[in-house]
Amino acid sequence: GAVVSQHPSWVICKSGTSVKIECRSLDFQATTMFWYRQFPKQSLMLMATSNEGSKATYEQGVEKDKFLINHASLTLSTLTVTSAHPEDSSFYICSASGTANYGYTFGSGTRLTVV
Amino acid sequence: DAKTTQPPSMDCAEGRAANLPCNHSTISGNEYVYWYRQIHSQGPQYIIHGLKNNETNEMASLIITEDRKSSTLILPHATLRDTAVYYCIVRVGANNLFFGTGTRLTVIP
Repeated sequence: GAVVSQHPSWVICKSGTSVKIECRSLDFQATTMFWYRQFPKQSLMLMATSNEGSKATYEQGVEKDKFLINHASLTLSTLTVTSAHPEDSSFYICSASGTANYGYTFGSGTRLTVV
Repeated sequence: DAKTTQPPSMDCAEGRAANLPCNHSTISGNEYVYWYRQIHSQGPQYIIHGLKNNETNEMASLIITEDRKSSTLILPHATLRDTAVYYCIVRVGANNLFFGTGTRLTVIP
């Protein structure tokens, strides 16, 4: 149990376009989802916390108008990178809370490359 | 959440036990110790967690010192597939997980 599906696993887009990443909890209801970003050879950095039905809470330095987060249901959260630039190229990972024993379950990540 | 300190890297021979230490000297009484690992280009994978008592599951054992200021993750028989970055995290309640730099474990054939 406690499976989180993240899609797509990789995406290449042109500068100036927007990209949407989906994060789904498959077998549990996730009241809270988290979005992380990871640059090469670095640790995961929390970007924002997403609660179902309310606005996301962004970490300091993360532009909320650039990284749009929607958590419309208990099983789905989306991250949209708007007007992407090459410096947005990174590994984006979501996680969801809903099972006490396992803490947080992570998705498999999305590698975004902006060209 | 309390800060954790881990060695940046460790090597372990295949088939031997891998002992990964973690210091969390500022941990508070209600903070749990969690261990996750991340294999290259994948999302973190939950390993084990504990509060006070030692814990064991099918993947690993977690030894927490009596004063709770440090812990050790033990992989009893390391395999090549255990090569990964291992993160020790302390967390209370529904707070999110803040990742430190972790320990890069390399299992050597």
